[in-house]
Amino acid sequence: GIQVEQSPPDLILQEGANSTLRCNFSDSVNNLQWFHQNPWGQLINLFYIPSGTKQNGRLSATTVATERYSLLYISSSQTTDSGVYFCAADQTGANNLFFGTGTRLTVIP
Amino acid sequence: DADVTQTPRNRITKTGKRIMLECSQTKGHDRMYWYRQDPGLGLQLIYYSFDVKDINKGEISDGYSVSRQAQAKFSLSLESAIPNQTALYFCATSDRKSAGELFFGEGSRLTVL
Repeated sequence: GIQVEQSPPDLILQEGANSTLRCNFSDSVNNLQWFHQNPWGQLINLFYIPSGTKQNGRLSATTVATERYSLLYISSSQTTDSGVYFCAADQTGANNLFFGTGTRLTVIP
Repeated sequence: DADVTQTPRNRITKTGKRIMLECSQTKGHDRMYWYRQDPGLGLQLIYYSFDVKDINKGEISDGYSVSRQAQAKFSLSLESAIPNQTALYFCATSDRKSAGELFFGEGSRLTVL
């Protein structure tokens, strides 16, 4: 299956700071999603973004499919942004998502 | 109420026992999935189902079986649980008519002693 690599593995931010999380994938994709797993283990769908740019409040994401990477931007970070951010990609069209190992974000007050 | 509901949310069992994790959804989606998450890792696909009569193996199906009892229900069974099946299990759904977004249940934490 497709290989998904995320960086950095860990990130500590002061509240109010901005950050960029990166996801590289090994092949062309027809599905790419970003998820946030909160400290209680819940997985929340942030973006479905196989290409282009989307924004939702303080979060935005950009996928450059031709260069096989996606970026998640978090602006004005809050303590509630803490958790693990996963990127997942699929190339089959069957939603057989392959997940990266995540970026663990800690936002300190 | 959650759109994708998993039961039980937590379970402790012993090696060799049969365990069933259940998933039901009210989203009306046709596709359902079971994923496993090990500590510090991403999720791995165990099984997926595109409709009641279509069930497929994922990356790590050995030691697991599934049943799609209805469009809204998808259960995962461990016929004889072993300690390395201790993990967090997630059910997910998607709709083939939509863009392909995946929606997850709240997870079932299984510990095999």
